[in-house]
Amino acid sequence: KNEVEQSPQNLTAQEGEFITINCSYSVGISALHWLQQHPGGGIVSLFMLSSGKKKHGRLIATINIQEKHSSLHITASHPRDSAVYICAVSNFGNEKLTFGTGTRLTIIP
Amino acid sequence: DGGITQSPKYLFRKEGQNVTLSCEQNLNHDAMYWYRQDPGQGLRLIYYSQIVNDFQKGDIAEGYSVSREKKESFPLTVTSAQKNPTAFYLCASSIDPPGRIYNEQFFGPGTRLTVL
Repeated sequence: KNEVEQSPQNLTAQEGEFITINCSYSVGISALHWLQQHPGGGIVSLFMLSSGKKKHGRLIATINIQEKHSSLHITASHPRDSAVYICAVSNFGNEKLTFGTGTRLTIIP
Repeated sequence: DGGITQSPKYLFRKEGQNVTLSCEQNLNHDAMYWYRQDPGQGLRLIYYSQIVNDFQKGDIAEGYSVSREKKESFPLTVTSAQKNPTAFYLCASSIDPPGRIYNEQFFGPGTRLTVL
């Protein structure tokens, strides 16, 4: 079974700071997902990647398959980025996603 | 607009009562899922369905039941057999059936169930 670990568990930063959230997993995967959970509870898919790097606006996700590690970066952070960020992995031939416990990000104005 | 709806957003029930959580999607997705979220834990899979009239148990199915009579709908019943039913419940769907490579899932807004 794949183990997914995220760090840090909680992160507080000032508006404008560069944010990095890390995710590591134990077994080779077919894809890694970054999700954002808003304070109300709804979850939005941010990225799905299996190699390299993806960028959407101020968000950047990278993955290193050899090291079994992914990072989510937020540039020029803003209070509206405050949310829980969840990493999840999908495995070849497996119906299930395995989720990390999430990183709670708080951006202070 | 396409999406997943869950109702109600907040639900209160007395201990010993069964309760059914609604999940509807108009994305024409084949697969649907139910997850439970507890503080400090990752999402845990309760049940999933790859196709109408078929569903499989996830990691924590005990005390729960589901049905999939229509492609759009995947209701979850929390029975009195569930020992700790108070939690946040999320429904999701994916365009590809499970077992495909990427399994990108789209989530509903969730239902917070409190059993008194």
